[in-house]
Amino acid sequence: TQLLEQSPQFLSIQEGENLTVYCNSSSVFSSLQWYRQEPGEGPVLLVTVVTGGEVKKLKRLTFQFGDARKDSSLHITAAQPGDTGLYLCAGAGAGNMLTFGGGTRLMVKP
Amino acid sequence: DAGVIQSPRHEVTEMGQEVTLRCKPISGHDYLFWYRQTMMRGLELLIYFNNNVPIDDSGMPEDRFSAKMPNASFSTLKIQPSEPRDSAVYFCASRHLDRKAFFGQGTRLTVV
Repeated sequence: TQLLEQSPQFLSIQEGENLTVYCNSSSVFSSLQWYRQEPGEGPVLLVTVVTGGEVKKLKRLTFQFGDARKDSSLHITAAQPGDTGLYLCAGAGAGNMLTFGGGTRLMVKP
Repeated sequence: DAGVIQSPRHEVTEMGQEVTLRCKPISGHDYLFWYRQTMMRGLELLIYFNNNVPIDDSGMPEDRFSAKMPNASFSTLKIQPSEPRDSAVYFCASRHLDRKAFFGQGTRLTVV
């Protein structure tokens, strides 16, 4: 079984601060996805990274895939209350099936 | 497109009762997934279908759980009999080939 560990599990910060969320595994994934989930809703895909070392930017969010394709990070610059939510990483394995990490619950206080 | 549609949004039932959760995937999507989300275990894949055929049900926790996909536009997840530990949010997701997966809003199940 491929396991993904996310850290931290919970994060509470003030508006304007920067933060980084980590997603680690001992397994290699063909690609890795980051999702954001708001209360009462399903996860929504933010980005997919495929190549080792790849960096993708989505406005204030920067996603990086580790060189060995076993880990990833999400960095948010100048966090805003609208960034509050559950951030999930998911690794794609055989058959493109996704294994989800446990998630990082982020709260950004105004 | 209305997206993936799940019903009901909330279900409260007594232990021992049968529960049926429903999902309508996005038209044209050939993969359908059922997930369960809890605080303790996160998001777990229960079963997935490809072209209406169950491919991998290794995530189904017990024989009390069963899933069907009688056609490309409808799937059910049934729990019989239900137990309090089945309380969770159940998500259905669909995708076309290896492209982006879309999740429904989930069914919050409470078994008392």
